[in-house]
Amino acid sequence: EAGVAQSPRYKIIEKRQSVAFWCNPISGHATLYWYQQILGQGPKLLIQFQNNGVVDDSQLPKDRFSAERLKGVDSTLKIQPAKLEDSAVYLCASSLEDTQYFGPGTRLTVL
Amino acid sequence: GESVGLHLPTLSVQEGDNSIINCAYSNSASDYFIWYKQESGKGPQFIIDIRSNMDKRQGQRVTVLLNKTVKHLSLQIAATQPGDSAVYFCAENLLGGNKLTFGTGTQLKVEL
Repeated sequence: EAGVAQSPRYKIIEKRQSVAFWCNPISGHATLYWYQQILGQGPKLLIQFQNNGVVDDSQLPKDRFSAERLKGVDSTLKIQPAKLEDSAVYLCASSLEDTQYFGPGTRLTVL
Repeated sequence: GESVGLHLPTLSVQEGDNSIINCAYSNSASDYFIWYKQESGKGPQFIIDIRSNMDKRQGQRVTVLLNKTVKHLSLQIAATQPGDSAVYFCAENLLGGNKLTFGTGTQLKVEL
């Protein structure tokens, strides 16, 4: 069974630029999550989708971050404009029931 | 070797020894707990989970113990191998809504 796919794996941008990350969850998983993981810390939930609807986006900085999952499968996370403190690994996860399975992440560096 | 909670971020053990990684969770209403292993440059990998109606669960070389009285979770790894070197996170599921809250993690180093 294929795992969660993410791209790109690495991205370097300058502050105030925009960036987008893509996630393809495990086939059949209705729930999709985006996490931010700052170096040395555990992942922090940004947004959770159930099919194409948002379940929880309480921790998403909505002034600069946006996410969508229009057809209930793939998802994109966008940051515009990026700040230095957005440097982190952005992880996508999916679940069928309780257990969340993670992708390899996208490492973002904001200069 | 043993680590206490998330305040001791690094645990060093000799190859072949048993490892015990501890975690103190925060919410007494949490009903589902997961241990993840994260190797450098990779996403967290599911190891083992346990529900709040259990106090012990065993997998292959791993055992998770749950003490709800003191809100404590531990991961035991038997016969630790070099491939076990990674950061280990415990995560709690709050309010049954699939919302995981992760701890800071413990770095496990296996010495040959």
